[in-house]
Amino acid sequence: EVQLVESGGGLVQPGGSLRLSCGASGFTFSSWALSWVRQAPGKGLEWVSHIGGSVGSTYYADSVKGRCTISRDNSKNTLYLKINSLRAEDTAVYYCAKEGGYNYGAIDSWGQGTLVTVSS
Amino acid sequence: DIQMTQSPSSLSASVGDRVTITCRASQGINNYLAWFQQKPGKAPKSLIYAASSLQSGVPLKFSGSGSGTDFTLTISSLQPEDFATYYCQQYYSYPFTFGQGTRLEIK
Repeated sequence: EVQLVESGGGLVQPGGSLRLSCGASGFTFSSWALSWVRQAPGKGLEWVSHIGGSVGSTYYADSVKGRCTISRDNSKNTLYLKINSLRAEDTAVYYCAKEGGYNYGAIDSWGQGTLVTVSS
Repeated sequence: DIQMTQSPSSLSASVGDRVTITCRASQGINNYLAWFQQKPGKAPKSLIYAASSLQSGVPLKFSGSGSGTDFTLTISSLQPEDFATYYCQQYYSYPFTFGQGTRLEIK
Protein backbone atom coordinates (compact mmCIF):
# COMPACT_ATOMS: atom_id res chain seq x y z
CA GLU A 1 0.00 0.00 0.00
CA VAL A 2 1.32 3.43 -0.99
CA GLN A 3 1.83 5.74 1.98
CA LEU A 4 2.88 9.38 1.84
CA VAL A 5 3.41 11.30 5.07
CA GLU A 6 4.10 15.03 5.00
CA SER A 7 5.81 16.96 7.77
CA GLY A 8 7.46 20.31 8.37
CA GLY A 9 4.45 22.59 8.29
CA GLY A 10 3.77 25.21 10.94
CA LEU A 11 3.56 28.92 11.64
CA VAL A 12 6.10 31.05 9.83
CA GLN A 13 6.56 34.80 9.66
CA PRO A 14 6.28 36.59 6.32
CA GLY A 15 9.62 36.54 4.55
CA GLY A 16 10.66 33.36 6.30
CA SER A 17 11.51 29.94 4.90
CA LEU A 18 10.28 26.42 5.41
CA ARG A 19 11.22 22.97 4.19
CA LEU A 20 8.45 20.44 3.85
CA SER A 21 9.21 16.73 3.77
CA CYS A 22 7.21 13.78 2.49
CA GLY A 23 8.22 10.28 3.53
CA ALA A 24 7.10 7.54 1.18
CA SER A 25 6.63 3.79 1.45
CA GLY A 26 4.86 0.98 -0.34
CA PHE A 27 6.37 1.57 -3.79
CA THR A 28 9.74 1.86 -5.55
CA PHE A 29 10.28 5.52 -4.76
CA SER A 30 12.88 6.35 -7.42
CA SER A 31 10.71 5.01 -10.24
CA TRP A 32 7.88 7.51 -9.97
CA ALA A 33 7.33 11.19 -10.53
CA LEU A 34 6.04 13.22 -7.59
CA SER A 35 4.15 16.46 -7.07
CA TRP A 36 3.28 19.03 -4.46
CA VAL A 37 -0.27 20.41 -4.49
CA ARG A 38 -1.60 23.00 -2.07
CA GLN A 39 -5.00 24.20 -0.92
CA ALA A 40 -5.56 27.56 0.73
CA PRO A 41 -8.28 27.64 3.41
CA GLY A 42 -11.69 27.35 1.77
CA LYS A 43 -10.20 27.33 -1.74
CA GLY A 44 -9.56 24.82 -4.49
CA LEU A 45 -6.54 22.71 -5.31
CA GLU A 46 -3.46 24.42 -6.75
CA TRP A 47 -0.62 22.49 -8.40
CA VAL A 48 2.72 23.74 -7.02
CA SER A 49 5.60 21.67 -8.33
CA HIS A 50 6.69 18.41 -9.98
CA ILE A 51 9.83 16.31 -10.07
CA GLY A 52 10.42 13.38 -12.37
CA GLY A 53 11.59 9.95 -11.28
CA SER A 54 15.21 9.29 -10.25
CA VAL A 55 17.03 12.60 -10.87
CA GLY A 56 14.13 14.11 -12.69
CA SER A 57 13.22 17.36 -14.32
CA THR A 58 11.55 19.95 -12.11
CA TYR A 59 8.70 22.33 -12.82
CA TYR A 60 6.97 25.03 -10.78
CA ALA A 61 3.79 27.07 -10.73
CA ASP A 62 4.31 30.73 -11.56
CA SER A 63 3.09 31.63 -8.07
CA VAL A 64 6.13 29.96 -6.46
CA LYS A 65 8.74 30.04 -9.23
CA GLY A 66 12.00 31.50 -7.98
CA ARG A 67 11.00 30.96 -4.34
CA CYS A 68 10.58 27.20 -4.28
CA THR A 69 12.86 24.23 -4.79
CA ILE A 70 11.56 20.69 -5.11
CA SER A 71 14.00 17.86 -4.54
CA ARG A 72 14.08 14.19 -3.70
CA ASP A 73 16.42 11.85 -1.83
CA ASN A 74 15.85 8.43 -3.33
CA SER A 75 18.09 6.81 -0.69
CA LYS A 76 15.73 8.07 2.01
CA ASN A 77 12.47 7.70 0.06
CA THR A 78 11.77 11.34 0.82
CA LEU A 79 10.43 14.26 -1.20
CA TYR A 80 11.12 17.86 -0.19
CA LEU A 81 9.78 21.32 -0.92
CA LYS A 82 11.80 24.33 0.20
CA ILE A 83 9.87 27.60 0.14
CA ASN A 84 11.60 30.95 0.64
CA SER A 85 10.27 34.48 1.02
CA LEU A 86 6.99 33.18 2.36
CA ARG A 87 3.90 35.34 1.87
CA ALA A 88 0.45 35.31 3.45
CA GLU A 89 -0.91 33.84 0.22
CA ASP A 90 1.31 30.77 0.70
CA THR A 91 -0.87 29.80 3.67
CA ALA A 92 -2.32 26.43 2.73
CA VAL A 93 -2.38 22.72 3.34
CA TYR A 94 0.43 21.23 1.28
CA TYR A 95 -0.08 17.73 -0.11
CA CYS A 96 2.57 15.52 -1.63
CA ALA A 97 1.35 13.19 -4.31
CA LYS A 98 2.65 10.27 -6.33
CA GLU A 99 2.13 10.38 -10.08
CA GLY A 100 1.37 7.37 -12.23
CA GLY A 101 4.45 7.54 -14.41
CA TYR A 102 8.28 7.80 -14.38
CA ASN A 103 8.50 11.19 -16.09
CA TYR A 104 4.97 12.37 -15.33
CA GLY A 105 1.44 11.13 -15.02
CA ALA A 106 -1.88 11.56 -13.31
CA ILE A 107 -1.73 11.67 -9.53
CA ASP A 108 -2.75 8.29 -8.12
CA SER A 109 -1.94 8.68 -4.42
CA TRP A 110 -2.00 11.55 -1.92
CA GLY A 111 -0.57 12.25 1.50
CA GLN A 112 -2.72 13.61 4.31
CA GLY A 113 -1.25 17.11 4.02
CA THR A 114 0.67 19.50 6.25
CA LEU A 115 -0.57 23.00 7.13
CA VAL A 116 1.63 26.01 6.50
CA THR A 117 0.48 29.28 8.06
CA VAL A 118 2.29 32.48 7.14
CA SER A 119 1.51 35.20 9.64
CA SER A 120 3.19 37.66 11.94
CA ASP B 1 -0.99 28.14 -19.17
CA ILE B 2 -3.96 25.88 -19.84
CA GLN B 3 -7.13 27.02 -18.08
CA MET B 4 -9.53 24.34 -16.82
CA THR B 5 -13.14 25.36 -16.34
CA GLN B 6 -15.63 23.13 -14.56
CA SER B 7 -19.39 23.42 -14.71
CA PRO B 8 -21.47 23.70 -12.76
CA SER B 9 -19.63 25.16 -9.76
CA SER B 10 -22.20 23.56 -7.49
CA LEU B 11 -24.87 20.96 -7.96
CA SER B 12 -27.72 19.68 -5.80
CA ALA B 13 -28.88 16.13 -6.31
CA SER B 14 -30.73 13.37 -4.49
CA VAL B 15 -29.62 9.93 -3.42
CA GLY B 16 -30.08 7.60 -6.38
CA ASP B 17 -29.64 10.33 -9.01
CA ARG B 18 -27.18 10.27 -11.87
CA VAL B 19 -25.10 13.42 -12.30
CA THR B 20 -22.63 14.74 -14.83
CA ILE B 21 -19.88 17.30 -14.28
CA THR B 22 -18.15 18.99 -17.19
CA CYS B 23 -14.55 20.12 -17.50
CA ARG B 24 -13.32 22.23 -20.41
CA ALA B 25 -9.70 22.94 -21.28
CA SER B 26 -8.65 26.22 -22.90
CA GLN B 27 -6.66 24.24 -25.46
CA GLY B 28 -6.44 20.63 -26.54
CA ILE B 29 -4.98 18.25 -23.96
CA ASN B 30 -5.53 14.94 -25.78
CA ASN B 31 -6.76 12.67 -22.96
CA TYR B 32 -4.35 13.87 -20.26
CA LEU B 33 -7.16 14.55 -17.82
CA ALA B 34 -7.69 13.32 -14.26
CA TRP B 35 -10.59 13.57 -11.81
CA PHE B 36 -10.41 13.77 -8.02
CA GLN B 37 -12.90 13.66 -5.17
CA GLN B 38 -12.41 15.59 -1.95
CA LYS B 39 -14.45 15.52 1.24
CA PRO B 40 -14.25 18.30 3.84
CA GLY B 41 -11.08 18.15 5.92
CA LYS B 42 -9.69 15.23 3.94
CA ALA B 43 -7.02 14.75 1.30
CA PRO B 44 -8.22 14.39 -2.27
CA LYS B 45 -8.82 10.92 -3.65
CA SER B 46 -7.87 9.98 -7.19
CA LEU B 47 -10.75 8.67 -9.28
CA ILE B 48 -9.91 8.70 -12.98
CA TYR B 49 -6.85 9.11 -15.19
CA ALA B 50 -6.43 9.37 -18.96
CA ALA B 51 -9.94 10.85 -19.09
CA SER B 52 -11.75 7.53 -18.75
CA SER B 53 -9.64 4.97 -16.87
CA LEU B 54 -10.59 4.22 -13.28
CA GLN B 55 -7.92 4.25 -10.61
CA SER B 56 -7.57 1.00 -8.71
CA GLY B 57 -10.39 0.41 -6.26
CA VAL B 58 -12.71 3.10 -7.62
CA PRO B 59 -16.26 1.79 -8.07
CA LEU B 60 -17.74 1.45 -11.54
CA LYS B 61 -20.43 4.02 -10.70
CA PHE B 62 -17.80 6.62 -11.66
CA SER B 63 -17.09 7.07 -15.34
CA GLY B 64 -15.23 9.61 -17.42
CA SER B 65 -15.22 10.52 -21.05
CA GLY B 66 -13.88 13.06 -23.49
CA SER B 67 -10.81 14.02 -25.42
CA GLY B 68 -9.31 17.23 -26.71
CA THR B 69 -10.97 20.07 -24.81
CA ASP B 70 -14.24 18.70 -23.42
CA PHE B 71 -14.55 16.11 -20.68
CA THR B 72 -17.23 14.75 -18.37
CA LEU B 73 -17.38 12.89 -15.09
CA THR B 74 -20.57 10.93 -14.51
CA ILE B 75 -21.61 9.45 -11.20
CA SER B 76 -24.50 7.02 -11.27
CA SER B 77 -26.84 6.07 -8.44
CA LEU B 78 -25.60 8.68 -5.98
CA GLN B 79 -25.04 7.50 -2.44
CA PRO B 80 -24.50 9.68 0.66
CA GLU B 81 -20.73 9.08 0.53
CA ASP B 82 -20.55 10.57 -2.99
CA PHE B 83 -21.47 14.06 -1.86
CA ALA B 84 -18.18 15.91 -2.05
CA THR B 85 -16.22 18.35 -4.19
CA TYR B 86 -14.85 17.11 -7.50
CA TYR B 87 -11.85 18.52 -9.37
CA CYS B 88 -10.44 17.92 -12.82
CA GLN B 89 -6.74 18.41 -13.65
CA GLN B 90 -4.83 18.44 -16.89
CA TYR B 91 -1.38 16.88 -16.98
CA TYR B 92 -0.69 17.58 -20.66
CA SER B 93 1.63 20.52 -20.11
CA TYR B 94 3.20 22.38 -17.20
CA PRO B 95 1.83 23.89 -15.05
CA PHE B 96 -0.56 21.00 -14.40
CA THR B 97 -3.67 23.09 -13.71
CA PHE B 98 -6.82 22.16 -11.81
CA GLY B 99 -10.38 23.18 -12.42
CA GLN B 100 -12.01 25.33 -9.75
CA GLY B 101 -14.04 22.43 -8.38
CA THR B 102 -17.68 21.32 -8.41
CA ARG B 103 -19.43 20.98 -5.08
CA LEU B 104 -22.00 18.18 -5.12
CA GLU B 105 -24.60 18.65 -2.40
CA ILE B 106 -27.55 16.64 -1.19
CA LYS B 107 -30.92 18.06 -2.24
